[in-house]
Amino acid sequence: GDSVTQMEGPVTLSEEAFLTINCTYTATGYPSLFWYVQYPGEGLQLLLKATKADDKGSNKGFEATYRKETTSFHLEKGSVQVSDSAVYFCALRGVSGGYNKLIFGAGTRLAVHP
Amino acid sequence: EAGVAQSPRYKIIEKRQSVAFWCNPISGHATLYWYQQILGQGPKLLIQFQNNGVVDDSQLPKDRFSAERLKGVDSTLKIQPAKLEDSAVYLCASSFQGTGVVGSEAFFGQGTRLTVV
Repeated sequence: GDSVTQMEGPVTLSEEAFLTINCTYTATGYPSLFWYVQYPGEGLQLLLKATKADDKGSNKGFEATYRKETTSFHLEKGSVQVSDSAVYFCALRGVSGGYNKLIFGAGTRLAVHP
Repeated sequence: EAGVAQSPRYKIIEKRQSVAFWCNPISGHATLYWYQQILGQGPKLLIQFQNNGVVDDSQLPKDRFSAERLKGVDSTLKIQPAKLEDSAVYLCASSFQGTGVVGSEAFFGQGTRLTVV
């Protein structure tokens, strides 16, 4: 079945460092890919998405490119801030059995220090 | 636009007791999801509704968990009897577009944190 694999955390960075969080997926067909973020004490919220191969999603300085050839959707940011400290979830939505199912990875905790 | 509403925010019960969670999705959203998020893990889909019909409940422990979505709007998730391993955050989410449309965003509620002692 469909699945998402993320790099394990926690990821600890200093402010202004470059961030990469790896995400790979397994799915039949052409799923849409998402990154959700969960700030401390808050619910999940969409960070960015891409709906077809080679699409780049971007928001708040974060970017991710849908790479079908490597089945990947890695999250990147050029310069992280303390306020980016959160748990990041990669997710996919594919059509299976005639309906769309939203599946999440295990999450990667990011801690950014001043 | 009002978001996904869930209640209660927190619940502590003893094992073997029953508990119910309520969710009101965003108005007009056809798809409603219930997820279980155990500490340190990603959300696991328990059940997915399309309007008031169930399209996926393959990971719902049906001997103790039940869910309904009356009139295709709000939904309740019940656990009876609860076990220690049910301690988790229960998340409700909704999305506008339904079957076959994969690009639509899911909006999440704040969740209900359940502790079973």
